[in-house]
Amino acid sequence: NAGVTQTPKFRILKIGQSMTLQCTQDMNHNYMYWYRQDPGMGLKLIYYSVGAGITDKGEVPNGYNVSRSTTEDFPLRLELAAPSQTSVYFCASSYSGFYTEAFFGQGTRLTVV
Amino acid sequence: AQKVTQAQTEISVVEKEDVTLDCVYETRDTTYYLFWYKQPPSGELVFLIRRNSFDEQNEISGRYSWNFQKSTSSFNFTITASQVVDSAVYFCALSGGAGGTSYGKLTFGQGTILTVHP
Repeated sequence: NAGVTQTPKFRILKIGQSMTLQCTQDMNHNYMYWYRQDPGMGLKLIYYSVGAGITDKGEVPNGYNVSRSTTEDFPLRLELAAPSQTSVYFCASSYSGFYTEAFFGQGTRLTVV
Repeated sequence: AQKVTQAQTEISVVEKEDVTLDCVYETRDTTYYLFWYKQPPSGELVFLIRRNSFDEQNEISGRYSWNFQKSTSSFNFTITASQVVDSAVYFCALSGGAGGTSYGKLTFGQGTILTVHP
């Protein structure tokens, strides 16, 4: 059982470049999330989705975009990368969206230089 | 707004010592869930426990125990007889909202780095 899979695991971007972080889950969860983790900080929510075709902003959405065309996939798009986007990105999914725990991917370590 | 505070940034103990990680939360919701996650050096987040706001019973799972007190808005985590493998970052998190309106969005504390020395 793969759970939540993120690709790539590591990436170095130059300022101004764009990229998509991929996230897929095989648990048929409706709720999916993107968080970022900065050094010494907890995770902060970027975007979330309650089902295919439905997405909404979290606490720190600026500079990012998401889409949810299928239940399984929830890609995160970075446009015009900036050094402030250097972080570790985690994708997560949950069954109920409230009373059940979230399952996290392995994370993507992104460096913008 | 919701807030989770883990005042202990780093804790260092010697193996077999007991250690308590503190978590204090703020929320206006009457229905909410609290979580603890472990982030080992490999980087993934591992779910440890979930507790809802109506259940103040303490819980013990092996060497782990949790103390939830609504009166002090705290959800502390104790590791008994710590081991080197317990070395990790531990996060406390909160999800709130009546009727599930939080959609499972988690508010995390800053994390506590636990180092267990042999």
